[in-house]
Amino acid sequence: DVVMTQSPDSLAVSLGERATINCKSSQSLLYNSNNKNYLAWYQQKPGQPPKLLIYWASTRGSGVPDRFSGSGSETDFTLTISSLQAEDVAVYYCQQYYTIPLYTFGQGTKLEI
Amino acid sequence: EVHLLESGGGLVQPGGSLRLSCAASGFTSSSYTMSWVRQAPGKGLEWVSSISGTNNATYYADSVKGRLTISRDHSKNTLYLQLNTLRADDTAVYYCAKGRLSSPYDAFALWGQGTLVTVSS
Repeated sequence: DVVMTQSPDSLAVSLGERATINCKSSQSLLYNSNNKNYLAWYQQKPGQPPKLLIYWASTRGSGVPDRFSGSGSETDFTLTISSLQAEDVAVYYCQQYYTIPLYTFGQGTKLEI
Repeated sequence: EVHLLESGGGLVQPGGSLRLSCAASGFTSSSYTMSWVRQAPGKGLEWVSSISGTNNATYYADSVKGRLTISRDHSKNTLYLQLNTLRADDTAVYYCAKGRLSSPYDAFALWGQGTLVTVSS
């Protein structure tokens, strides 16, 4: 099974500052035939369902502000919020979709101000 | 507007059964991979099951294999999850999720609000 490990587990960042969340996969998520990394990032605000932020490791989802960006390849990935806003307080999850039938999520990173 | 609405959750005794529904609107759900993801109280996300939009193949997490069945009704544009032989550790909010595309090798683009299943005597 692919294990996804996020760091840190929690993070406090000041408004307007940069937030960085890391995700490490136990195996490469890069599919060589299409050069795509099968990695997504989700945001879950309190009492709400998750929302897709990033897919293919670096493509922003529909309506996602450009202060959110994803980077990385193979086993190491990063979600960056360039200038933290109050509404970005949430738990963030990475997810691999390289090896179905077992999609796996990271344990989550709680982002606070 | 695309939307997913889950229903069918509730309190059930250990060993009992429940059927969850996920009504889709604004799109044809049979054209997409549809999935169920659960979240135990205060915990992270756990993928449970998916049904492919390309060939209707079904997939299950090992923790639920043999006890849960995913299906869909094209005429009702609705996804189902039949839960049998429920255990206390099945207690969670169950989310329905729509894949970005028909292929199962893709992210979950849209999530419903979830329905709570509580297994307790």
